[in-house]
Amino acid sequence: DVKVTQSSRYLVKRTGEKVFLECVQDMDHENMFWYRQDPGLGLRLIYFSYDVKMKEKGDIPEGYSVSREKKERFSLILESASTNQTSMYLCASSLTTGGGEKLFFGSGTQLSVL
Amino acid sequence: AQKITQTQPGMFVQEKEAVTLDCTYDTSDQSYGLFWYKQPSSGEMIFLIYQGSYDEQNATEGRYSLNFQKARKSANLVISASQLGDSAMYFCAGNNRKLIWGLGTSLAVNP
Repeated sequence: DVKVTQSSRYLVKRTGEKVFLECVQDMDHENMFWYRQDPGLGLRLIYFSYDVKMKEKGDIPEGYSVSREKKERFSLILESASTNQTSMYLCASSLTTGGGEKLFFGSGTQLSVL
Repeated sequence: AQKITQTQPGMFVQEKEAVTLDCTYDTSDQSYGLFWYKQPSSGEMIFLIYQGSYDEQNATEGRYSLNFQKARKSANLVISASQLGDSAMYFCAGNNRKLIWGLGTSLAVNP
């Protein structure tokens, strides 16, 4: 089975801290994604990557950056955490098939910024 | 721009009965795909079913089927013989190049 692993299930950080959310997939997928999920707003795409060292902005990239040094790992970085970044963060990966790209998700990281 | 609409914030169904979750999509693309995902309280998003815009048959995966009506731009999920474990959030999503998500429907299965 495809496995997407997010390093932490729950995380509590203070305002201004630099925060790293790690995501690893074990199926050699080219594509990786970071979403945040908020009640009433659904899933919103922060950043995605179609290859190593490649990244593209999603719909809400402000306040975030990403890193993809290896194919299996995609990191989301909050340079200076703020309270409005308290959210559920979901990582996903997919294989480029030319048709419907089924996403495989991690279990999510619930981040609280105090 | 693409848009996915799920008009039912919450639904209830009796165990062993069938339930339909609504999804409409708005796109000008000729080629696109539609997905349904389930999110239980544990948080992980689980893929359920996919329908491509050129697929002639409605997709089915076990107890899940997709009622795809292209002219009405609807892609409703039908869950047959509901089980208690089906209680979860259900999300419809569509893509041409990247996924656009609906806001979800919360399904509660009553014993």
